[in-house]
Amino acid sequence: QQQVKQSPQSLIVQKGGISIINCAYENTAFDFPWYQQFPGKGPALLIAIRPDVSEKKEGRFTISFNKSAKQFSLHIMDSQPGDSATYFCAASQGTDKLIFGTGTRLQVFP
Amino acid sequence: NAGVTQTPKFRILKIGQSMTLQCAQDMNHNYMYWYRQDPGMGLKLIYYSVGAGITDKGEVPNGYNVSRSTTEDFPLRLELAAPSQTSVYFCASSGTGYEQYFGPGTRLTVT
Repeated sequence: QQQVKQSPQSLIVQKGGISIINCAYENTAFDFPWYQQFPGKGPALLIAIRPDVSEKKEGRFTISFNKSAKQFSLHIMDSQPGDSATYFCAASQGTDKLIFGTGTRLQVFP
Repeated sequence: NAGVTQTPKFRILKIGQSMTLQCAQDMNHNYMYWYRQDPGMGLKLIYYSVGAGITDKGEVPNGYNVSRSTTEDFPLRLELAAPSQTSVYFCASSGTGYEQYFGPGTRLTVT
């Protein structure tokens, strides 16, 4: 059974700094998406990577993927107060299920 | 296009009561899901459906039931509410792949 471990549980970053969230998975998956959740809202897809790609960048958000170590991470460059949210990594088991990590609460202070 | 809608937004139940959480989507998605979110525990899959008339258990199905009579609707039933079911419940849908669209959630308290 797939498991996804996520760390840290919470993260405090100064405005303009780099936020880094790490995840580790156990079994091969099709895709590794990241979801962003603001307080009182449902999660929404932020960015995703396939296991045959080592890095994907979209604006200030970058996913790094290490297949041999079974790890992937989200980097948020130039972090802004508007990035304050909870972030979930996940592993896609195909079209039917996502296995989520436990979440990281990010707070960016001005 | 409303996306995924959930009702109610909030509910307080007494132990042993029953209720149905409603979920509807207007994107013609085949896949629908129910999750519960507890602090520090992430999102746990309760039940999911790959199409009308087809449902299957997720990681934490005990105490819940679902049905999927139409593509649009996927209600979640709690038969005998217990304090352990206090949580925030999210419904989601997807057409294909890893992008799931989530509703705004239902905050349920069982006392």
